[in-house]
Amino acid sequence: QKEVEQNSGPLSVPEGAIASLNCTYSDRGSQSFFWYRQYSGKSPELIMFIYSNGDKEDGRFTAQLNKASQYVSLLIRDSQPSDSATYLCAVNRAAGNKLTFGGGTRVLVKP
Amino acid sequence: DAEITQSPRHKITETGRQVTLACHQTWNHNNMFWYRQDLGHGLRLIHYSYGVQDTNKGEVSDGYSVSRSNTEDLPLTLESAASSQTSVYFCASSESGTHMETQYFGPGTRLLVL
Repeated sequence: QKEVEQNSGPLSVPEGAIASLNCTYSDRGSQSFFWYRQYSGKSPELIMFIYSNGDKEDGRFTAQLNKASQYVSLLIRDSQPSDSATYLCAVNRAAGNKLTFGGGTRVLVKP
Repeated sequence: DAEITQSPRHKITETGRQVTLACHQTWNHNNMFWYRQDLGHGLRLIHYSYGVQDTNKGEVSDGYSVSRSNTEDLPLTLESAASSQTSVYFCASSESGTHMETQYFGPGTRLLVL
C-alpha cells in the first residue's frame, strides 16, 4: 500500500462544474496536508494546506480533512479550463518538514 | 523578489559521469529539499537539509549526495550517472521545521542519462 494514494485520472469535468479530488494516506500520525497544482512541464505550486479536521475554503477551492478516515479531499468550484492540471496531494507525516507525495490526479476541464 | 532557481534547466550526460545540479534560494530558508519526479511515482524525496552542514537521506538517496555549506545553496551530485537517474529534478525550500510550513519549488532540471 502506498503511503499517499490518489486516483491518477484523468478526471474530466465540464466547465462551471465542481471537480472533486480525493487522497488517502496510511500514516495515522500525519499532521498536515497540502494540495499542489502542477501544470505540464512546470513545477508544483501550492494551492492550500489543512491540518485540522473539517473544511477550509480559499476562493474556489475547498480542502476537506477527515483524520479518522485518513482522507483529504479538494473541491474546485466553478471549474475553468485554466484549472486543467495535475493536482498533487502531499502529507507531512511527522515533526520536521518532510512531505510525502501522492502520484497526482490529472484534471481536464472541458469548455 | 526572493526566489529559488535551478541550473541547468536541461542536461544530457553519459552513463558513469559525475553530474552536479545546482539549487539556489534567496528566501534565507533553513530547509532545502531535492525531489525527483517520474511517471507513475510522483515526487520522491532524495535528500534534504535543515541548515548549514546538515544533510539527511530521503527515500531514494542511493547514487546521490548533497552538501550544505551556506544557507542559499544545496547542490545535488550524481556520483556516477545511471540511466535509471533520467528524471526531472526539483529543488524546494521552506522556512522552518514546523509541520505547517509550505515548501516552495524551483523550476526543475530535466536530466537525460544516455
